[in-house]
Amino acid sequence: NAGVTQTPKFRVLKTGQSMTLLCAQDMNHEYMYWYRQDPGMGLRLIHYSVGEGTTAKGEVPDGYNVSRLKKQNFLLGLESAAPSQTSVYFCASSYSPLLTSFPSYNEQFFGPGTRLTVL
Amino acid sequence: QKEVEQDPGPLSVPEGAIVSLNCTYSNSAFQYFMWYRQYSRKGPELLMYTYSSGNKEDGRFTAQVDKSSKYISLFIRDSQPSDSATYLCAMSGDSNYQLIWGAGTKLIIKP
Repeated sequence: NAGVTQTPKFRVLKTGQSMTLLCAQDMNHEYMYWYRQDPGMGLRLIHYSVGEGTTAKGEVPDGYNVSRLKKQNFLLGLESAAPSQTSVYFCASSYSPLLTSFPSYNEQFFGPGTRLTVL
Repeated sequence: QKEVEQDPGPLSVPEGAIVSLNCTYSNSAFQYFMWYRQYSRKGPELLMYTYSSGNKEDGRFTAQVDKSSKYISLFIRDSQPSDSATYLCAMSGDSNYQLIWGAGTKLIIKP
């Protein structure tokens, strides 16, 4: 049981390049999330998904796209990388609160993170 | 003003001390209050959660929620060097699965 895994662990991009970050979970979770973490800013939600084939915007979606073609995978794409996207990116997953007993708090399980530098 | 405020620290205390970590919030609709612990270069992990007001104890850790003051706390008794980490508070409303996060407090326990 690997939990939540992220690929790659590190990446350096030049401004304007594109890349895709892959997140995979083996816990059969319905919900998946992409966050970025910057010093002093905490975790900020980029996009999230409440099920296979569905995605929605979070707090800071500009410059990113996502896809969830399979329940276990959630991809984050950077179309044209900018230095402002230098950050640590975390993927997380959780059960649907609708399927858990009350109180249905949202425990999110996180991957190890991807450190991205855009030059 | 952020919805959730948390002092980023760092907070440095000697081993064995009692540690108090705090968050304040502005949204009275929040009902779920959580504390996550994040070790260096790792993802956050859920440490404790509380629903609505009150206290919850788990070993050396105690979580408190004061909804009237919109203030939550995490206490660590007999702190150990292994408790050195960043502690993030997170909260959500009753029907909202999105978590609102504090900035995290970096805690250093000196041997």
